[in-house]
Amino acid sequence: DVKVTQSSRYLVKRTGEKVFLECVQDMDHENMFWYRQDPGLGLRLIYFSYDVKMKEKGDIPEGYSVSREKKERFSLILESASTNQTSMYLCASSEQGLLFFGSGTQLSVL
Amino acid sequence: AQRVTQPEKLLSVFKGAPVELKCNYSYSGSPELFWYVQYSRQRLQLLLRHISRESIKGFTADLNKGETSFHLKKPFAQEEDSAMYYCALRPLNNAGNMLTFGGGTRLMVKP
Repeated sequence: DVKVTQSSRYLVKRTGEKVFLECVQDMDHENMFWYRQDPGLGLRLIYFSYDVKMKEKGDIPEGYSVSREKKERFSLILESASTNQTSMYLCASSEQGLLFFGSGTQLSVL
Repeated sequence: AQRVTQPEKLLSVFKGAPVELKCNYSYSGSPELFWYVQYSRQRLQLLLRHISRESIKGFTADLNKGETSFHLKKPFAQEEDSAMYYCALRPLNNAGNMLTFGGGTRLMVKP
């Protein structure tokens, strides 16, 4: 059973803080993704990674960066959090076109 | 670029009624289509994919290339079907397995 684990279920941060969202998968998948989920907008891809140290911008990368130092771990970084980054963040890994999602991190930026 | 549209944000039906969640897409190449579902307090998970051509939990979806649609159907809705449903598209030649999602439809099945 594929497991994708996001380290925090809820986070509250202040504007301007640097925020780290961590994601770990245990199925040795090469592809990992970060999405944000907003009502009415669905899931929008922020960044994805094909392999260790590889990263590609998704549809809405502005204000975010990522790190993939190990195959199982994919981190999303908000360099300077802003209120419009309040959202649910979903991490996923994939194999053969199927996505496996984490439980999500609800981030509130005050 | 590909695009997925789910025209209904909310669909409310009574238990036992038929349900159809609409999904339309635009993509110039060959797509693979999926439906993902998120039940309350659970993670987003795959419901079905068009390549499998199978029925999951009584749901079916047929890819209609002429109408560029992949509507999700169930003849008799159950209360436990209440959830958020997302349609997604992946270009078949996309080595990165990158999916594009629609805006989602919340299905409410009333007793």
